[in-house]
Amino acid sequence: EAQVTQNPRYLITVTGKKLTVTCSQNMNHEYMSWYRQDPGLGLRQIYYSMNVEVTDKGDVPEGYKVSRKEKRNFPLILESPSPNQTSLYFCASSTTGGIAYEQYFGPGTRLTVT
Amino acid sequence: RKEVEQDPGPFNVPEGATVAFNCTYSNSASQSFFWYRQDCRKEPKLLMSVYSSGNEDGRFTAQLNRASQYISLLIRDSKLSDSATYLCVVNLHRDDKIIFGKGTRLHILP
Repeated sequence: EAQVTQNPRYLITVTGKKLTVTCSQNMNHEYMSWYRQDPGLGLRQIYYSMNVEVTDKGDVPEGYKVSRKEKRNFPLILESPSPNQTSLYFCASSTTGGIAYEQYFGPGTRLTVT
Repeated sequence: RKEVEQDPGPFNVPEGATVAFNCTYSNSASQSFFWYRQDCRKEPKLLMSVYSSGNEDGRFTAQLNRASQYISLLIRDSKLSDSATYLCVVNLHRDDKIIFGKGTRLHILP
């Protein structure tokens, strides 16, 4: 089954404790992206990647890191999480750089930073 | 002006009615347009792409007006299952960024 998986689905952590949210897709998509969704602010792009070893900042990259060492994986790293990073996070992937093709979203990771 | 703007709603519409909502975008360089649907606490899913000539998929019709920089979504004969948040999405090919509107909430009433 074609899908994007994210882990964990739910995470409660404390300020400053490094964490990684994994994202994996099995569709051989070139383009992958991370979003956060907050009430009243909608979905905002954090980082995206056009292909292996190519990553770019989205609209809200501060406090996040990503890597794209393999085509299928695109982990999101919070080196020192803060309460303002409490949010619902989605990973997505698509073909052709996401320019004109459907983005497939993972089920979301609900992160709470206390 | 925000890059992508939508009326947040909610739109409360009786079952069977026709409902339409618009989305405006500020960057004239925008080249790809989409409508996504998001159910409560779920991931967004593509509803339809929006083509320059307009396109239809069953009860759903999408239109693009480049001169006025807006896209629209029309839902005919609305069903209870159409209740969701509809997200307008714009892709700037220049830098491959994808920008989502904040969404329009739709409630179909029995």
